Amino acid sequence: GAVVSQHPSRVICKSGTSVKIECRSLDFQATTMFWYRQFPKQSLMLMATSNEGSKATYEQGVEKDKFLINHASLTLSTLTVTSAHPEDSSFYICSAMDREETQYFGPGTRLLVL
Amino acid sequence: GESVGLHLPTLSVQEGDNSIINCAYSNSASDYFIWYKQESGKGPQFIIDIRSNMDKRQGQRVTVLLNKTVKHLSLQIAATQPGDSAVYFCAENMNSGGYQKVTFGIGTKLQVIP
Repeated sequence: GAVVSQHPSRVICKSGTSVKIECRSLDFQATTMFWYRQFPKQSLMLMATSNEGSKATYEQGVEKDKFLINHASLTLSTLTVTSAHPEDSSFYICSAMDREETQYFGPGTRLLVL
Repeated sequence: GESVGLHLPTLSVQEGDNSIINCAYSNSASDYFIWYKQESGKGPQFIIDIRSNMDKRQGQRVTVLLNKTVKHLSLQIAATQPGDSAVYFCAENMNSGGYQKVTFGIGTKLQVIP
């Protein structure tokens, strides 16, 4: 089956620093990738839809200047959490959509901001 | 401020029994539904899907039922095994502004009692 990877799997950073998370579709091309955030014991909340070669579409309440998304190729999207604060600590999950519009999820990135 | 975590509904099932996990969706325009399994610290894993022109679909040990009249979805797991213990999410897929968008339900934690 299709595989989506994320890097890093876990990151700890100091408050005020920026963190970049990569999402790659390993064996298929994904014109659309999605970024989700999940707090403990809660569901996945869609943050933004990332389209190759164009600007990301952000969900209501998600600050586009804080969560920078770049989808430079058909196999890579990045999410940069700028000036991270402790409340940004969460589990960030990406997914990539194939031509049949099936979404494949990455393993997630655990972010802890101290 | 600090977010209040929701307590996931929990379903406890004896090993070998059948499990039924229910989900209510919100948008009558949704045309594609997916069940995901998420183990602790991992990304969601696809289990089974169903399109809105169907009311039942079967996989290996799993069955999904769709009732569009009351906007209800269920996942049935036959002969539940300890490895089925996880959080299960239903998700509805709809076309939003020309883009596919997946919205997750709150999730149900399945605990299998050996």
